[in-house]
Amino acid sequence: SYVLTQPPSVSVAPGKTASITCGGNNLGSKSVHWYQQRPGQAPVLVIFHDNDRPSGIPERFSGSKSGNTATLIISRVEAGDEADYYCQVWDNSSDHYVFGTGTEVTVL
Amino acid sequence: EVQLVESGGGVVEPGGSLRLSCVASGFTFSNYAMTWVRQAPGKGLDWVSITSGSGGTTYNADSVKGRFTISRDNWKNTLYLEMNSLRVEDTAVYYCAKAPSFSSNSYYFDYWGRGALVAVSS
Repeated sequence: SYVLTQPPSVSVAPGKTASITCGGNNLGSKSVHWYQQRPGQAPVLVIFHDNDRPSGIPERFSGSKSGNTATLIISRVEAGDEADYYCQVWDNSSDHYVFGTGTEVTVL
Repeated sequence: EVQLVESGGGVVEPGGSLRLSCVASGFTFSNYAMTWVRQAPGKGLDWVSITSGSGGTTYNADSVKGRFTISRDNWKNTLYLEMNSLRVEDTAVYYCAKAPSFSSNSYYFDYWGRGALVAVSS
């Protein structure tokens, strides 16, 4: 089955930039989507199709992809960005949706 | 405003059954695929099942195939998850979520409910 690998945790100081990676086999041929999940809350879509932002999501959130690694970038990090972040793809070889292992972002 | 409200969660013994419901509002329900995603306590997100806008196409995770059935009633704007032969490892918060298009291969999920807790324990 398809696997997406993320670092378990990332720490960042307020006002700095956080980068969260997501790696998977042949990821360059798939669209990558990102979700934010604050403690005790439901997930929220923050990036879709690699680098598009839903309405209402701050411009501080952006996405990129190079080769088999996608990256969620959070600029000018705020205390409210502290959350778990998950990448996700549609695996058309298995007709399955796959989530990454998740990254906990801590704002120092 | 899109709203998704899950219900039907609870405590059930191993081998038992439970049916979750998700009532949708704020959009034309029959035009969009709908999915269930679960999250075990302290763990990550785990996709369970998806159904197309008509209900004609469904996909299921291997871990629930043959035990869980996703369905929908477009007249009632309601999504269901029938769960049979429940196992301890099925214990999780179950979220329903909306896809951005009709098809079951809709790539991502743009709106989520608050979730319903299912606990499988003897």
